[in-house]
Amino acid sequence: EPEVTQTPSHQVTQMGQEVILRCVPISNHLYFYWYRQILGQKVEFLVSFYNNEISEKSEIFDDQFSVERPDGSNFTLKIRSTKLEDSAMYFCASSEQPGRLNEKLFFGSGTQLSVL
Amino acid sequence: DQQVKQNSPSLSVQEGRISILNCDYTNSMFDYFLWYKKYPAEGPTFLISISSIKDKNEDGRFTVFLNKSAKHLSLHIVPSQPGDSAVYFCAASANSGNTPLVFGKGTRLSVIA
Repeated sequence: EPEVTQTPSHQVTQMGQEVILRCVPISNHLYFYWYRQILGQKVEFLVSFYNNEISEKSEIFDDQFSVERPDGSNFTLKIRSTKLEDSAMYFCASSEQPGRLNEKLFFGSGTQLSVL
Repeated sequence: DQQVKQNSPSLSVQEGRISILNCDYTNSMFDYFLWYKKYPAEGPTFLISISSIKDKNEDGRFTVFLNKSAKHLSLHIVPSQPGDSAVYFCAASANSGNTPLVFGKGTRLSVIA
C-alpha cells in the first residue's frame, strides 16, 4: 500500500536554528498538508498546499514557517528560527482530493522535533 | 479554542466488550466528522466518517453515531479487541472546499485481554 514517508523521524535542534522537515507524499496525490501535535495536545493544522502554492494556513504558520515542493516528489516544511514552543510531532499528509474528501487524507509517521 | 473536544484522555475496556469513545464539537458549521486511529510511532489512519445528513454509519465492528442537536458524536467498537488499543482522534470539517480538518486531543483506548 502506498504511504507517506517522513524524514527524519527525530530531529533535535538548538533554539534559533533552522530546521527542514522532509516528506514524500503518495505519488499520485495532489494536495499536501502539515499538521503538528504538541505533547498532550490536539493535532493542529498548519498549512495546506496545492499546485505549488499555499491553499490555507493557520495562525500558527507565521513568517518563521515556509513550505516548498522543490521537485516532483518532496514536500518540505522549514522553520527558520526555531523556538522552544515549536517542539512537537510534525505530521505530513497528502490526499487526492481536498476538503470534504478528507477521509482519504494519508498521514506519515511524523517527525518528532525537539528544540533545546 | 477547542472546537472539537474529547474529554476522556483514556479509556480501558475488557476484550469482547463495547468501547464507546465520545466527541463534542462547538462549531455549528461542521458537517463532516471523522475518526482516526493512531498507533505509537505511526501517523493517524482514517477509520470511519459520517456526514451530518446521517445519524449513524457502520463499518464492521465500528459504528459512529451523530447527534447534531447535542453537537455530539461517538464511536462504538464492538466487540473490542486488543489490536484496537490505540489513540483515537475525532476530527471535523466545515462545508467548504479544502477545509482543513480540526482534530480533538484524542482518547487512548486500552483493550485488556
